[in-house]
Amino acid sequence: AAGVIQSPRHLIKEKRETATLKCYPIPRHDTVYWYQQGPGQDPQFLISFYEKMQSDKGSIPDRFSAQQFSDYHSELNMSSLELGDSALYFCASSRRGPHSYEQYFGPGTRLTVT
Amino acid sequence: GNSVTQMEGPVTLSEEAFLTINCTYTATGYPSLFWYVQYPGEGLQLLLKATKADDKGSNKGFEATYRKETTSFHLEKGSVQVSDSAVYFCALSPVVSGGGADGLTFGKGTHLIIQP
Repeated sequence: AAGVIQSPRHLIKEKRETATLKCYPIPRHDTVYWYQQGPGQDPQFLISFYEKMQSDKGSIPDRFSAQQFSDYHSELNMSSLELGDSALYFCASSRRGPHSYEQYFGPGTRLTVT
Repeated sequence: GNSVTQMEGPVTLSEEAFLTINCTYTATGYPSLFWYVQYPGEGLQLLLKATKADDKGSNKGFEATYRKETTSFHLEKGSVQVSDSAVYFCALSPVVSGGGADGLTFGKGTHLIIQP
């Protein structure tokens, strides 16, 4: 079965640079979520989109922005990178409906800021 | 706000032992509850879910029952294997009006180590 695709899988950036992470949801899924997982930490919800509109917002820094496109893929844009942004970034997708609460996660993008 | 508390690890067991990982939650209304598993270097895999009180989720020999009265969703397995070694996360999803769900709230994760 098709899964969530994230690119790139690994990314190394320097402080103050920018980064763009991409997420391609499972076919027919209309909702995308972004999470950040620091080393040895639990995933923290950043932001979600449903039908290209922001649906929910978590602990996303003002330096980060995201959007969902007409083909449902999503991009997370990160500017003025800091050392503390080094983490695993997960995208998840789901199909919204009255009985659909399951989020399926991608393999993650490991961002290292030096 | 919503929160999930689960027992901290690492939890070390011998193969074929009985497993319980405790999880309790705080939330308004009737959230959906999940267990996710993360193997080293990999993403999160949905292990099982329950969407209403007294529901039992089960998968690959793991079970968890949604207990509204104790706000708990403990994970159990009767006989663990070395291949079960991983980090297990309990999570909840609030139910928003109109259906669907929003960001998951995770517990801190429990590192399970199974020794042969």
